[in-house]
Amino acid sequence: QKEVEQNSGPLSVPEGAIASLNCTYSDRGSQSFFWYRQYSGKSPELIMFIYSNGDKEDGRFTAQLNKASQYVSLLIRDSQPSDSATYLCAVNPPGGGADGLTFGKGTHLIIQP
Amino acid sequence: GAVVSQHPSRVICKSGTSVKIECRSLDFQATTMFWYRQFPKQSLMLMATSNEGSKATYEQGVEKDKFLINHASLTLSTLTVTSAHPEDSSFYICSLLAGLNTQYFGPGTRLTVL
Repeated sequence: QKEVEQNSGPLSVPEGAIASLNCTYSDRGSQSFFWYRQYSGKSPELIMFIYSNGDKEDGRFTAQLNKASQYVSLLIRDSQPSDSATYLCAVNPPGGGADGLTFGKGTHLIIQP
Repeated sequence: GAVVSQHPSRVICKSGTSVKIECRSLDFQATTMFWYRQFPKQSLMLMATSNEGSKATYEQGVEKDKFLINHASLTLSTLTVTSAHPEDSSFYICSLLAGLNTQYFGPGTRLTVL
């Protein structure tokens, strides 16, 4: 059974600090990993994806992947109040993108001004 | 990224009626589209995979006769909730597959069944 686990939070971080969001997945053959941001009542929007072990940086966001530990994380530097949202970790199964995504339940992040 | 629209954005209907939700790709020819459902404070759950010109593939536990999916063109997939009941009230979100792995989501449709 495919599972993606996230701490539901809320995770409270002061403005300007680094927010660290974590995710583990159960299917060792998973190939690609995504972070989506979802504001209340809205649909998810893609922040980053990562396929290879290591770090991937895009602006204030850094995704980290460790396939051996089945662990993926998202770091948000210089956190802003507008970053307050639920962050969803999503994983593609071994079959690839055509099989749809398995989502975690999301971590509710609150950036305190 | 790809731009996806959904219509309607919100619908309220009586129990027993059918509701059709449209998902359109505005700038991308989508061979594969997906339908998800999200209950309050829950994660997105994949309902079915919609492939243009062929039958949809449904996830375990999703009734194909209740949730009818049609993907007749590369830019349009529709989900029809037949004989809707209050337990079908949810946030329905479509997405399209761009490239090998990346999905872009529509804005969602909030269905309320009275």
